[in-house]
Amino acid sequence: DVKVTQSSRYLVKRTGEKVFLECVQDMDHENMFWYRQDPGLGLRLIYFSYDVKMKEKGDIPEGYSVSREKKERFSLILESASTNQTSMYLCASSSRDRGPSYEQYFGPGTRLTVT
Amino acid sequence: AQKVTQAQTEISVVEKEDVTLDCVYETRDTTYYLFWYKQPPSGELVFLIRRNSFDEQNEISGRYSWNFQKSTSSFNFTITASQVVDSAVYFCALSGQAGTALIFGKGTTLSVSS
Repeated sequence: DVKVTQSSRYLVKRTGEKVFLECVQDMDHENMFWYRQDPGLGLRLIYFSYDVKMKEKGDIPEGYSVSREKKERFSLILESASTNQTSMYLCASSSRDRGPSYEQYFGPGTRLTVT
Repeated sequence: AQKVTQAQTEISVVEKEDVTLDCVYETRDTTYYLFWYKQPPSGELVFLIRRNSFDEQNEISGRYSWNFQKSTSSFNFTITASQVVDSAVYFCALSGQAGTALIFGKGTTLSVSS
């Protein structure tokens, strides 16, 4: 089974802190994604990566950056956390070998609260 | 631009009722993929089904069935004889030919009471 893990289920940070959210997948997937989920807005794409050291902006990249130094790990970085970044963050991965749009597998999510 | 609309924000049914979750999509791609995901209270999204744009066959999996109609740009999801364990948020999503990330609808919260 595909396993996508995220470093924390719950996280509380202060405004202005630098925050790292880690995501690791164990299925050798090429593609990895970061979404945020907010009530009434569904899931929105922040950043994605199709390969190591490669990144592409999604729909709402402002205030975020990412890092992909190894194939299995995709990190989301909040350079200076703000209260409007309080949200649920979901990481996902998918295989490119089976076609570009095959299903994405999701991690359990990190609920981040910025106070 | 690509868009997914789930007009039903919340649905409440009693166990054993049938329920249909609507999904309407917009895309200019000729090849695209449609998905349904389930998000139970635990929070993790669970993949349910993927459909390719060139395959309009309906699909049935146990109590779940999906009706894909390109003519109306719809990909509806029906649960037959609903159960309390079906209570969750259900998301419809779209992915285009370029293989970019999923475009999600805002989700439908289904509550099944006993």
